[in-house]
Amino acid sequence: GAVVSQHPSRVICKSGTSVKIECRSLDFQATTMFWYRQFPKKSLMLMATSNEGSKATYEQGVEKDKFLINHASLTLSTLTVTSAHPEDSSFYICSARVAQGQPQHFGDGTRLSIL
Amino acid sequence: LAKTTQPISMDSYEGQEVNITCSHNNIATNDYITWYQQFPSQGPRFIIQGYKTKVTNEVASLFIPADRKSSTLSLPRVSLSDTAVYYCLVGPMNYGGSQGNLIFGKGTKLSVKP
Repeated sequence: GAVVSQHPSRVICKSGTSVKIECRSLDFQATTMFWYRQFPKKSLMLMATSNEGSKATYEQGVEKDKFLINHASLTLSTLTVTSAHPEDSSFYICSARVAQGQPQHFGDGTRLSIL
Repeated sequence: LAKTTQPISMDSYEGQEVNITCSHNNIATNDYITWYQQFPSQGPRFIIQGYKTKVTNEVASLFIPADRKSSTLSLPRVSLSDTAVYYCLVGPMNYGGSQGNLIFGKGTKLSVKP
């Protein structure tokens, strides 16, 4: 149980392209979803938190116009990296939580490479 | 959230028991201790969570002394597939929102050798 699916697992695109990453909770309804970024050999850094039907809350230093987050349903959240540049290349990971007091369950990440 | 300190790396051999200790001197009364495992190019996987004393599940045990200023993740009889980074996190159980998020430290890279 508690499976979170991320798609795509890997994407390579040209600079200036916008890229959308999907995060789905397959067997549970997630009231809250989280988006993280992880650089090579570094730890996960929280980017934003989104509750279904509400605007996402972004962490300090994360550009909301650059990283658009939509959480339209209890099983789907999307992260769109707009006008991506090489410095946006990273491993993006989402997680989902059933409710407060429950652990977060993570997807397997999306490796984004901007040429 | 309480800051955690763990060893950067540990080596072990197949079949051995591995104990990874995490220090969290500033743990608050309503904080829980949670451990995650992460394989390369994968998201972290929840292993175990506890508040005090001992918690055991099918994959690990978590030992928490009375003062709760540290905790030890115990992996019985490790195999090569247990090679991963293990993260210790401390925070209120109602994780979420900008005030109570999971904060991942650098973790402990466990290498299991044949």
